[in-house]
Amino acid sequence: KAGVTQTPRYLIKTRGQQVTLSCSPISGHRSVSWYQQTPGQGLQFLFEYFSETQRNKGNFPGRFSGRQFSNSRSEMNVSTLELGDSALYLCASSLRDSKETQYFGPGTRLLVL
Amino acid sequence: QKEVEQDPGPLSVPEGAIVSLNCTYSNSAFQYFMWYRQYSRKGPELLMYTYSSGNKEDGRFTAQVDKSSKYISLFIRDSQPSDSATYLCAIRNTGGFKTIFGAGTRLFVKA
Repeated sequence: KAGVTQTPRYLIKTRGQQVTLSCSPISGHRSVSWYQQTPGQGLQFLFEYFSETQRNKGNFPGRFSGRQFSNSRSEMNVSTLELGDSALYLCASSLRDSKETQYFGPGTRLLVL
Repeated sequence: QKEVEQDPGPLSVPEGAIVSLNCTYSNSAFQYFMWYRQYSRKGPELLMYTYSSGNKEDGRFTAQVDKSSKYISLFIRDSQPSDSATYLCAIRNTGGFKTIFGAGTRLFVKA
């Protein structure tokens, strides 16, 4: 069974631009969570989607948004990029909700210049 | 105060050593405890999952939870160079859809 895939793997943007990251969960998994990982703050929860609905949200500004499609694939968008948005963005999927075992993708490494 | 505190290391040990990795947490509402391993350029992978105080063993790995002290540990016996990675503790409350991760401890096992 294929794992969680994320595209692109690496991205370089400049301040003020926007970016869209994509996540394809494991087949059959309906819950997708997004995390931001930085050396200073560690892994921080962004949001979780289930059946195309955002079910939980972390403490990030409104510039960070996401959505989930009917096939459970998810995208997250960051608008008006800031230098501090440089991070590894990780997607995790689970069968029904994030109370169950989460399987992480390899992440998208975003660098904002 | 962070909800989960974890020493970022790095921790360097010789091959064959017993490794002890630790986290403390602040809220007794957290009932589920996990350890993830993250290799460089990869996403975290679940190593251990427990929801009760005491020890849980899986091969060379033992997870220990002390709810009275709000302290969780991961022990690695007979450590190998392939164990070199970042180890993250994670906690979750009983009704929660949100998992809170520690900062991660970087471990180096020298051959």
